[in-house]
Amino acid sequence: DAGVTQSPTHLIKTRGQHVTLRCSPISGHKSVSWYQQVLGQGPQFIFQYYEKEERGRGNFPDRFSARQFPNYSSELNVNALLLGDSALYLCASSLGQGSYEQYFGPGTRLTVT
Amino acid sequence: DAKTTQPNSMESNEEEPVHLPCNHSTISGTDYIHWYRQLPSQGPEYVIHGLTSNVNNRMASLAIAEDRKSSTLILHRATLRDAAVYYCILRDYGNNRLAFGKGNQVVVIP
Repeated sequence: DAGVTQSPTHLIKTRGQHVTLRCSPISGHKSVSWYQQVLGQGPQFIFQYYEKEERGRGNFPDRFSARQFPNYSSELNVNALLLGDSALYLCASSLGQGSYEQYFGPGTRLTVT
Repeated sequence: DAKTTQPNSMESNEEEPVHLPCNHSTISGTDYIHWYRQLPSQGPEYVIHGLTSNVNNRMASLAIAEDRKSSTLILHRATLRDAAVYYCILRDYGNNRLAFGKGNQVVVIP
């Protein structure tokens, strides 16, 4: 079975631009969470979606938004990019709300110049 | 989110057991103790979780103190593939949010 997939693998953007990152969960998983990992730090929770509804939001500005589609895939959007948004963006899928195990994708490396 | 405290780094010899400590003195009754690890250039990987009793799986064992204020992840026989950052995380049941700290960088010496 395929694991969690994310696209693109790497991305370079300029300050002020917009970016969309994509995630496909493991087949049968209905929950997707997004995390941001800055170099040298642990991942920080951004959003969780379950059954296409937002179920949790971390301490991130409104420039960050996300959505989940009927096939349970998800997009993370970031507007008005700042240099500080440069990070590894990780997607995690799980069977449902409160599932014990979350399965992470390889991440998208975003560089903002 | 309840916080955990781990060493910044540890070294272990290959093929020897590794004991990774975690302190969580403010744990609440509904918090589960989760361990994830992150190998270089990869996303985090689930290792094990527990509530009150010690737990074993194919990857590791989790020993939980009787008062639940600390726990220890045990890798029974370290291999070079176990070199990673190990995260000890408290998570409330029903909440998918994982609050990662900086983790414990484990180095395995051949």
